[in-house]
Amino acid sequence: DIQMTQSPSSLSASVGDRVTITCRASQSISDYLNWYQQKPGKAPKLLIYGASSLQSGVPSRFSGSGSGADFTLTISSLQPEDFATYYCQQSYSSPRTFGPGTKVDIK
Amino acid sequence: QVQLVQSGAEVKKPGASVKVSCKTSGYTFTGYYMHWVRQAPGQGLEWMGWINPNSGVTNFAQKFQGRVAMTRDTSFSTAYMELYSLISDDTAVYYCARANILGAFDIWGQGTTVTVSS
Repeated sequence: DIQMTQSPSSLSASVGDRVTITCRASQSISDYLNWYQQKPGKAPKLLIYGASSLQSGVPSRFSGSGSGADFTLTISSLQPEDFATYYCQQSYSSPRTFGPGTKVDIK
Repeated sequence: QVQLVQSGAEVKKPGASVKVSCKTSGYTFTGYYMHWVRQAPGQGLEWMGWINPNSGVTNFAQKFQGRVAMTRDTSFSTAYMELYSLISDDTAVYYCARANILGAFDIWGQGTTVTVSS
């Protein structure tokens, strides 16, 4: 199974900050890497697929990069509605593993 | 619009089984794989498996092999996930999620809370 790790596990940031979350796979997954945002009590929402493609309707302040085993989600200017937990997930092979999540809260 | 609407919350006793439905609308049901993901209270996301709604072929996480079934009814554009021999650790919110061509889960159901308690 492909293991996914994320760092940091949590971070505190202010509105307007640039935020970067990293995700690492235990083996190469090409660009089969997806990012989700989840708010409490809600279903996850797809932000980025294929490592760097922005899902329709997602603000352009979200961006993804990387390939192989190392990936990054960047929020260029954090907005109040961005405080949430972010998960990476590989869709390269089954089982389709998720990272443990990164909680972004208000500083 | 594209929607996945799941069945309501369930409370089950240990050893029982639960069947969750996921009714789809707004797209061709047989054109996209359907996955199931669960989330225990305060925990992360756990992938359970997928079903190809066109063929009915399934693939499960090893953890759930022999204890889960995923089926579909194309006449009703609905997918189902049934989990057997429930234990307290199966208490979780269960989600269905449609996969796009790159395997990303682009549409999610609202979630179904399953509580296992004696």
